[in-house]
Amino acid sequence: AQRVTQPEKLLSVFKGAPVELKCNYSYSGSPELFWYVQYSRQRLQLLLRHISRESIKGFTADLNKGETSFHLKKPFAQEEDSAMYYCALSSGNTGKLIFGQGTTLQVKP
Amino acid sequence: NAGVTQTPKFQVLKTGQSMTLQCAQDMNHNSMYWYRQDPGMGLRLIYYSASEGTTDKGEVPNGYNVSRLNKREFSLRLESAAPSQTSVYFCASRRDRGDGYTFGSGTRLTVV
Repeated sequence: AQRVTQPEKLLSVFKGAPVELKCNYSYSGSPELFWYVQYSRQRLQLLLRHISRESIKGFTADLNKGETSFHLKKPFAQEEDSAMYYCALSSGNTGKLIFGQGTTLQVKP
Repeated sequence: NAGVTQTPKFQVLKTGQSMTLQCAQDMNHNSMYWYRQDPGMGLRLIYYSASEGTTDKGEVPNGYNVSRLNKREFSLRLESAAPSQTSVYFCASRRDRGDGYTFGSGTRLTVV
């Protein structure tokens, strides 16, 4: 079954600390993976796509097919990074996105 | 360039009432999606339309119907609202596979 798991509901760090938001997936084919961010009561915004291998707002994510993971990392957290983060997997030809449960990142001053 | 526009932003319904959530995109995207967002459950797909003229059920379609009116518009209808449908509803669209979704700002629906 296709599934995305984000094991942490809440991740709380201090400003300047490194951040890693975990994402594991289950998918039989070649996965297309994404990270989305949702700031308080706003719409979801695309943060990263694994195919583009880019860094946005200092965040990076590497696809590890052996561990079936796509963890989101940032070396130095900022207060403005506080938000809900969703990992998502694109499913099959229809392009449906399967979302994880989300992780709330709280960056304390 | 408005992106994805959803109306209304907020709605309170009584159990048994019906309503239609509207979604329109101006990016000439092929696929459109309706999700609901509930605490601790992430986003769950209700219905989607991979292209104009087609619609398919997602993970949680019961109690909902959809219409892909044209390439721009994809509406979600609740025929007889239930308290379990209290949620935040997001519409999204994408051009092609491999592209990210563009989301609307959401509709916060409460059924009492």
